[in-house]
Amino acid sequence: NAGVTQTPKFRVLKTGQSMTLLCAQDMNHEYMYWYRQDPGMGLRLIHYSVGEGTTAKGEVPDGYNVSRLKKQNFLLGLESAAPSQTSVYFCASSHDSARLAYEQYFGPGTRLTVT
Amino acid sequence: AQSVTQLDSHVSVSEGTPVLLRCNYSSSYSPSLFWYVQHPNKGLQLLLKYTSAATLVKGINGFEAEFKKSETSFHLTKPSAHMSDAAEYFCVVSISDSGNTGKLIFGQGTTLQVKP
Repeated sequence: NAGVTQTPKFRVLKTGQSMTLLCAQDMNHEYMYWYRQDPGMGLRLIHYSVGEGTTAKGEVPDGYNVSRLKKQNFLLGLESAAPSQTSVYFCASSHDSARLAYEQYFGPGTRLTVT
Repeated sequence: AQSVTQLDSHVSVSEGTPVLLRCNYSSSYSPSLFWYVQHPNKGLQLLLKYTSAATLVKGINGFEAEFKKSETSFHLTKPSAHMSDAAEYFCVVSISDSGNTGKLIFGQGTTLQVKP
């Protein structure tokens, strides 16, 4: 199993450009999440999904959109990139089981720079 | 509301000496708690988790953590540090909401430096 994969690994954008980050998981997990990581701030939840076709806002959703058209994929879009969106983005997935404490499995991250 | 505080942003130890990374949490419910580790330029890996079973939780690579409800703490320890333990460590608490969304709250992280 590949686990959670993210593409691309690195990207540089100019202000105003758009892009989509792709997250894929092969563990048949119901739940998926997008985080951003900034120095000294831990990880902050951008958006999440509790199943195919459903999405919801997290702690810092502004400037981002997401889609979950297939259970195994979770896309994060930036419509008009801003320098404040320079960050490392992580995708995660988990079972929909309280018994498993919703343990999350993380991808390797995407380092995005907006100039 | 739930929250988590990592009491040290940076900890430095010598190889072979004990490691203590401190974490306090706040939760209205009986929480699930996790420690994740992130090596440089890598993703996050689960070290261990507490889910209301045994209060002393053993994880990978010799790490363990003790859940102390009276102190609202979940400190991470290791008897003897290894150079490969140098990384950033995150204490994490699950959000108990009616939607059972599995959302997590991350602490700010503690950078562990291991000196030879």
